Amino acid sequence: QVQLQESGPGLVMPSQTMSLFCAVSGGSIGSSGYSWSWIRQSPGKGLEWLAYIYHTRSSYYNPSLRSRLSISLDTSKNRFSLNLTSVTAADTAIYYCARRPTVTTALDYWGQGILVTVSS
Amino acid sequence: QSALTQPASVSGSPGQSITISCSGTSSDIGSYDLVSWYQQFPGKPPQLIIYQVNKRPSGISDRFSGSKSGYTASLTISGLQAGDEADFYCSSYAGSGTHWLFGGGTELTVL
Repeated sequence: QVQLQESGPGLVMPSQTMSLFCAVSGGSIGSSGYSWSWIRQSPGKGLEWLAYIYHTRSSYYNPSLRSRLSISLDTSKNRFSLNLTSVTAADTAIYYCARRPTVTTALDYWGQGILVTVSS
Repeated sequence: QSALTQPASVSGSPGQSITISCSGTSSDIGSYDLVSWYQQFPGKPPQLIIYQVNKRPSGISDRFSGSKSGYTASLTISGLQAGDEADFYCSSYAGSGTHWLFGGGTELTVL
């Protein structure tokens, strides 16, 4: 059974950089056939796709946030991470990590999510 | 690119069928059979219920079905149950520039 678990600071100061991690168990992020995604959900709002990365380290970003986002893999720790720079209150959200098999192209396993609040 | 368009809310009585629409454009739903649907209960992460327009993951009830016509995808829930109350989101691939889009979400109320 694949499990994903987000971790990171629950509170980030405005203008700072947010760094989140997603630990994966029950499967290797270095294996082919999957991409690994970050999605966020602002309080009471809908879902917003942020970024995803393949085991080859090819990465793709939401065009509206591309200049502020960076996604990476750490195969030694079997986790992937997301950095979001120059945060504002508008970045306050629940951040989810998820797996997308290339054969189904849908997000089949999700983490429980981590609430990140941007505030001074 | 804008999010896909879903109705904010739908409702139905137990046993009835309801359909949630998801409207896109020629650049997303109209070009790819890569529409998926997710069900989200309060305080929980979304759960995949339909992928590639009309396929169900293992363990998902056959009361959930998906379809697509032109630029609009649809999720139908038959035999509505109280436990189906949740938010539902559609998603579609939108090409190599935008990549993935979500709909704004639809709140389902079982009367």
